[in-house]
Amino acid sequence: GAGVSQSPSNKVTEKGKDVELRCDPISGHTALYWYRQRLGQGLEFLIYFQGNSAPDKSGLPSDRFSAERTGGSVSTLTIQRTQQEDSAVYLCASSLEAERRATQYFGPGTRLLVL
Amino acid sequence: AQSVAQPEDQVNVAEGNPLTVKCTYSVSGNPYLFWYVQYPNRGLQFLLKYITGDNLVKGSYGFEAEFNKSQTSFHLKKPSALVSDSALYFCAVRDRGSGNTGKLIFGQGTTLQVKP
Repeated sequence: GAGVSQSPSNKVTEKGKDVELRCDPISGHTALYWYRQRLGQGLEFLIYFQGNSAPDKSGLPSDRFSAERTGGSVSTLTIQRTQQEDSAVYLCASSLEAERRATQYFGPGTRLLVL
Repeated sequence: AQSVAQPEDQVNVAEGNPLTVKCTYSVSGNPYLFWYVQYPNRGLQFLLKYITGDNLVKGSYGFEAEFNKSQTSFHLKKPSALVSDSALYFCAVRDRGSGNTGKLIFGQGTTLQVKP
């Protein structure tokens, strides 16, 4: 079946604008994760959704970042008043279950450039 | 604090030779350990993971990794490297504790360059 998909694949925006990034997880996967990958660095965890449980927002870097997951499927990551340091690749992942042993499958990412 | 270290920014290997990409971790208790590979302009692809049992884990594309509890390491290995293995490799860890958290802790990544 289809893997995790993300849109847009690339986004260029001006400092101060808001952006929305979309993630479609693998069908049937109950857990969804957002990570950020800055140039030349590893991945930083942002937020995690599991079913109807309260999301784990512990990785969100500031209150300009928010995310929602509607109907237990599609997720949107919103960055308000973007700053140049927000430039990064934003990766979404999903897993079949929330168990810690579960494999996370990643999408291709959205490359965000803030001018 | 949990952390993952990949001590080599880059590993260079000749095609046909064995390769090792190193990973050490700092996590309380026994962690779950993962390796992912990232090709240019693409997302991460899962290679293998250690959950429990046999310390030697076999994964995709002929890769394997050995969990060493005493050395807190999980090095990625392949007996014979291919040019097509050239990519960025990430080690990641997840602890076995309780609580509602899903995050993987990633290393900084190691670029593998396989030369013909």
